[in-house]
Amino acid sequence: GAVVSQHPSRVICKSGTSVKIECRSLDFQATTMFWYRQFPKQSLMLMATSNEGSKATYEQGVEKDKFLINHASLTLSTLTVTSAHPEDSSFYICSARGESNYGYTFGSGTRLTVV
Amino acid sequence: SQQGEEDPQALSIQEGENATMNCSYKTSINNLQWYRQNSGRGLVHLILIRSNEREKHSGRLRVTLDTSKKSSSLLITASRAADTASYFCATGTGANSKLTFGKGITLSVRP
Repeated sequence: GAVVSQHPSRVICKSGTSVKIECRSLDFQATTMFWYRQFPKQSLMLMATSNEGSKATYEQGVEKDKFLINHASLTLSTLTVTSAHPEDSSFYICSARGESNYGYTFGSGTRLTVV
Repeated sequence: SQQGEEDPQALSIQEGENATMNCSYKTSINNLQWYRQNSGRGLVHLILIRSNEREKHSGRLRVTLDTSKKSSSLLITASRAADTASYFCATGTGANSKLTFGKGITLSVRP
C-alpha cells in the first residue's frame, strides 16, 4: 500500500534556528502533498498545499516566509520552520493522496519543540 | 473554520461493546472520510464514503452518510482495546481536494 515517510519524528531546536521536516512518498508519486499542524488534543489544521514544481498554496493566517515549503520532486516535499520560536512547538504532519479511493496517506508526524 | 464536528468528544466503552461516533458538516461535499490517530502518531485512513453513497462497510467498521442532514456516523462493532485512539472525520470537495478535519473523538476501550 501507499507509504509516506516523514522525518524526523522528533526534533528539539533552539529559539531562532531553522528546522527542516521531510515528507517522502515511498512507493507512489505524489503530485500534491499537504502540510498540517496539530496542537495537543486538537484537530489538524491545514497549513499549505504543496504542488510539485510550483509554489505552495498557503491557508489564510499561515506565514509563508516562516513556513517554507518546497516540493521539488514527485516524491519529496519539505517544510522548513524558519527562525523558530517556542510558539511554533507543535506536531506537524504531512499527507499525500493515496493510490485509490481518494484516501490520503499520512506521514507519522514530527514533534517539534522549540526551547 | 472546522467543517466537521464530531460527537461525542470523548467516548469510553467496555471491550466487546459497539462504539458509535457522529460527524456533522456544513457545506456540500464530494466525499467524507474517517481517520484514526493513535497518540503522537500520524493518521490512518479507515474508510471513505462518497456523497452518492449511503452506507459502507469495512471489516468491523460501518459508515453511514446522510447528505440531507449533512451528517455521518462511524460504527465500530465488537470493540477491542486496540481500538483506543482518536477518530476524525474529514470532508473533501473533490478527488484531489484538501481535507477539512473535525475536532476528533477520543475513544477509550476498557479491557
